[in-house]
Amino acid sequence: EPEVTQTPSHQVTQMGQEVILRCVPISNHLYFYWYRQILGQKVEFLVSFYNNEISEKSEIFDDQFSVERPDGSNFTLKIRSTKLEDSAMYFCASNNPPGWSSGNTIYFGEGSWLTVV
Amino acid sequence: DAKTTQPTSMDCAEGRAANLPCNHSTISGNEYVYWYRQIHSQGPQYIIHGLKNNETNEMASLIITEDRKSSTLILPHATLRDTAVYYCIVTQTGANNLFFGTGTRLTVIP
Repeated sequence: EPEVTQTPSHQVTQMGQEVILRCVPISNHLYFYWYRQILGQKVEFLVSFYNNEISEKSEIFDDQFSVERPDGSNFTLKIRSTKLEDSAMYFCASNNPPGWSSGNTIYFGEGSWLTVV
Repeated sequence: DAKTTQPTSMDCAEGRAANLPCNHSTISGNEYVYWYRQIHSQGPQYIIHGLKNNETNEMASLIITEDRKSSTLILPHATLRDTAVYYCIVTQTGANNLFFGTGTRLTVIP
C-alpha cells in the first residue's frame, strides 16, 4: 500500500538553527500538508500546498516557516530559526482533490520528531 | 467544519467489540464523518469515513444515525494493538485540512 514517508524520524537541533524536514508524499497525490503535534497536545494543521503554492495556512505557520516542492517527489518544511516551542512531532500528509476515483482521503506519514535545545 | 464530541476515554476487553460514539449535532448536508486513530504518537491512521449510509471495511464499521447527528465506530474484535486515540472528524469533502479534537483514548484490556 502506498504511504507517505518522512525523514528524519528524529532530529535534535540548537535553538536558532535552521531545520528542514523532508517528506515523500504518495506518488499520485496532488495536495500536500504539514501538521504538528506538541507533546501531549492536539494534532494541529500548519499548511496545505497545491499546484506549487500554499493553498491555506494556519496562524502557527508564520514567517519562520516555509514549504517547498523542490522536485517531483519531495515536499519539505523549513523552519528558519528554531525556537524551543517548535519542539514537536511534525506530520506530512497528502491526498487528491475531490472527485478522483481514488478518493480524497488524507493520508499521514509517521512523523519527524523535532527537539530544539 | 462541524464540532464533534467524544468521550475522553473508554476501555474494551480484548476480543470484544469496541463501540466508539461521536456526536456531531451541527453537521451539515455536505459534511462527511471521518475516523482516524493515532497509536502512541505515530502518524494519524485513516480508518473509515461516510456521509449517511453505514460503511464497513477491513478495519471497522461506521454506523451513522438517520438524522446524521451522531455516529459510532465499531471495531468488531478489538486486539491489544487497537489501543490508541480515536478521532471523529466532520469535514466537507475537498476541505483542505482536518481539525483534530482530543479524541477518545481506547484501551484494550487483556
